[in-house]
Parts: sequence; structure tokens; C-alpha cells
Amino acid sequence: GAGVSQSPRYKVAKRGQDVALRCDPISGHVSLFWYQQALGQGPEFLTYFQNEAQLDKSGLPSDRFFAERPEGSVSTLKIQRTQQEDSAVYLCASSFRDFSYEQYFGPGTRLTVT
Amino acid sequence: TQLLEQSPQFLSIQEGENLTVYCNSSSVFSSLQWYRQEPGEGPVLLVTVVTGGEVKKLKRLTFQFGDARKDSSLHITAAQPGDTGLYLCAGFHTGTASKLTFGTGTRLQVTL
Repeated sequence: GAGVSQSPRYKVAKRGQDVALRCDPISGHVSLFWYQQALGQGPEFLTYFQNEAQLDKSGLPSDRFFAERPEGSVSTLKIQRTQQEDSAVYLCASSFRDFSYEQYFGPGTRLTVT
Repeated sequence: TQLLEQSPQFLSIQEGENLTVYCNSSSVFSSLQWYRQEPGEGPVLLVTVVTGGEVKKLKRLTFQFGDARKDSSLHITAAQPGDTGLYLCAGFHTGTASKLTFGTGTRLQVTL
């Protein structure tokens, strides 16, 4: 497909488990962003990559959250020792060049921690 | 913490009515965007405004950026059921260049 894809679309984890969420950006897009969207709220910025470099990770809520984009394409957001407050939709977006270009969002991964 | 407050939070109107959604902040934004998000999907960009006082029209939607670049509004004329969704404003706050800050969202439902 031509858009941003994310997998899995839904993930249920027991508290304390580790999870890995995948994002496939639009081919050729330089920048990639992760956001967290709680129910009924607007998305909140987590982190930003330009190619493989993580330029801003100021939005990651704790050191349990880790993101990588080793080859400058696919990205993985990992959450260790999940907590109930981690339940949210995790959105990935990509843009053609830097952050000033239009961001195209994927459908998100809904994470539920029980 | 979200720096952009939207009002109203919820809006349920009938087809054909007009509505305005507001997006307010105490901070200055270098640019401001409006998105629409439908259930199970990511936000889709509708418009970007960059100049204080700027007005942009997209068919039945009119977007305005405040003179001081701290607020914005979205006006929909003759709403249709297809306008139903979550409307989000978002901006790049001066000084945090790469971080797009989203508003709290306005959920709009348009019924026949």
C-alpha cells in the first residue's frame, strides 16, 4: 500500500509484559514520528526520527519506552514492563523531509494493558 | 500536558446547521494545522495556516488563524453527515521546532 502501515492493529498485554509496535512509513519518507493518543484526547508527541537518527525523544513518558529506526525506514516502539496507564492508541506518522512537511498518519495500534 | 484547548469538546447538530470550533492557547505558534480523525484511523490534515490573521477556505470549511498566532477557529457551513469525526488543531510551538502539539479535540456528530 501507499500509506503508513502499523502492526499489530490491536494488542492486549498483561501488566508487566513487554510489547513491540511496528511502523512502516511511506517509502522514501525521511522523517518518522510516534504519538500516543489516550481515549478521547488528542495525540501527544513521543519521539521523532530523521532517517535513522532519533532527534527528539522528549515526549517518551519513561525509560520503559524505547524507539528505534535502525535502517532509516521501519521503526519499532518498544514498551517494557507495561502498566495500565500505557493503554492508548499509538500512532506513527511519516513526512517527506523534515518535521515542517505534512505528516501522514498510520491507523494506529490500540494497546490495552490488563 | 496539552497547550491547545479546544471548545466545544462535543457537538451534535443536524444536517444543514452551521458550527464553529475554537482552538486556544496562551502560547504563540509558528503555524497551526487542523486535522480530522475518524474512528480506527489516523488524523488527516485539512489545512495549515502560517500567518497571523490568515483565512483559508476549503469548500464548506473556513479556517482562521488569530492575529497573535495563539488561537484559531474552524467554521463549517451547512454541515453534512460526512463531516462527522474528531477535529483536532495542532501547532508547532515556537522554540520546540520538531514537536507537533495537538489540541484536546472536538467530537462532531452530524445527524440527518
